[in-house]
Amino acid sequence: GNSVTQMEGPVTLSEEAFLTINCTYTATGYPSLFWYVQYPGEGLQLLLKATKADDKGSNKGFEATYRKETTSFHLEKGSVQVSDSAVYFCALKTGNQFYFGTGTSLTVIP
Amino acid sequence: DGGITQSPKYLFRKEGQNVTLSCEQNLNHDAMYWYRQDPGQGLRLIYYSQIVNDFQKGDIAEGYSVSREKKESFPLTVTSAQKNPTAFYLCASRGPAGTKGGDTQYFGPGTRLTVL
Repeated sequence: GNSVTQMEGPVTLSEEAFLTINCTYTATGYPSLFWYVQYPGEGLQLLLKATKADDKGSNKGFEATYRKETTSFHLEKGSVQVSDSAVYFCALKTGNQFYFGTGTSLTVIP
Repeated sequence: DGGITQSPKYLFRKEGQNVTLSCEQNLNHDAMYWYRQDPGQGLRLIYYSQIVNDFQKGDIAEGYSVSREKKESFPLTVTSAQKNPTAFYLCASRGPAGTKGGDTQYFGPGTRLTVL
């Protein structure tokens, strides 16, 4: 079946630290991969996406590379800010359906 | 402004009552989705609709119903048969396949339902 596994949180980092949130997937065919971000009490916002192997998605300093050989799509940022505190969801799309990970909560402290 | 609206943001109901959550989009998207979010469980698909007058059950459809009479609207009814309805409900839409928005879901702000 199709599924997404992402690292459990919560993750707490100091401002300007390096961030990695791991995401691996299981899917039939060739899925598109996404990272979404959710701020408290709000819906999900698309952060970045990649639609084929070796593609790199990037936005607001965040990056993730679609690795078919390791079925991974890890999220990275070189220097986090307090405003990056949120819950991050990894997701895949295959056919007409989307599958989401359970989310990783990130807190960045000054 | 194009986007997805959900109303109300907070909703309180007594146990045993049906309640309808609104979802409207002006993105001209064909596909719309309803998810339920519980703490630590990510998003679970309730229903989705690829086109007007057509919809399919997701993973947790029991106790819920939907309609899709207009392209812009996809209301969700939480019935009294839903055993644990208190949750955060998210609506999303997706553009036509092959277009820029065709493989991406766009979400509304959510409705938090509390059943007392």
